[in-house]
Amino acid sequence: KQEVTQIPAALSVPEGENLVLNCSFTDSAIYNLQWFRQDPGKGLTSLLLIQSSQREQTSGRLNASLDKSSGRSTLYIAASQPGDSATYLCAVKGGSGGYQKVTFGTGTKLQVIP
Amino acid sequence: DAGITQSPRYKITETGRQVTLMCHQTWSHSYMFWYRQDLGHGLRLIYYSAAADITDKGEVPDGYVVSRSKTENFPLTLESATRSQTSVYFCASSLDRDYEQYFGPGTRLTVT
Repeated sequence: KQEVTQIPAALSVPEGENLVLNCSFTDSAIYNLQWFRQDPGKGLTSLLLIQSSQREQTSGRLNASLDKSSGRSTLYIAASQPGDSATYLCAVKGGSGGYQKVTFGTGTKLQVIP
Repeated sequence: DAGITQSPRYKITETGRQVTLMCHQTWSHSYMFWYRQDLGHGLRLIYYSAAADITDKGEVPDGYVVSRSKTENFPLTLESATRSQTSVYFCASSLDRDYEQYFGPGTRLTVT
C-alpha cells in the first residue's frame, strides 16, 4: 500500500526566507506527483505536476523536484511571502494499487510571518 | 461560470437519508474524481470516472454510488447517510489520465 508522508507537519518562517517542503512515498512505481496548496475552508489549488519521467518542474517562485528511486519530492519556495501561508499537499498517482490510485500526504501547514 | 463547481456547498442531513452531491465541470475533461477529506486521514479517493458511463472504485467506495451520464456531471449519492460520512467532499477533474487534477470548492456534509 502506497504511503505518503510530509514532514514537517507545520512550519513557521519569517517573510523572505527560502524554504523546502518534503514529500516521501513508499512505492516508487508512480506515474506522477502533484503539489497543491489548500487555504482554510477552501478547495485545493494545483501548483505543479511532475511526471514520472521528469526530474523537476518550475512555476514562478516554486520549484518541485522528483527522485523516484529514493521515493522523494521536494517543493522549494523562494522568497516566501505572507500570501504563501497555506497547507501544502502532495499527491502521488500510481503504485502497486493501480494506475488511478491517488494517495495524498497529510500536508505541511506553512505560516509566513511578516 | 467556467471551471468546476459543486453544490450544495453545505448540507446537514439525518442518518438514513439519501443525499446527492453535485459536481459540474465546463472544461470537457475526461476524468472526474470524488474525494473526502477528514482530519487524521487526509484526502481519500471515493470513486473516479474515466469518461461518460465509465466509473470505478477508489479507496473508500462503501456507502456511495456514482453515475456519469454526461461528461460534465458526476454526482455522488449517499444512499443511506451515516454519521461516519460526515466530511468535506471534493470533486476534481483532469483533461486526461496524465494531466493535472483541478478541484472544486468542496461540500461540507454533516450527518446528524
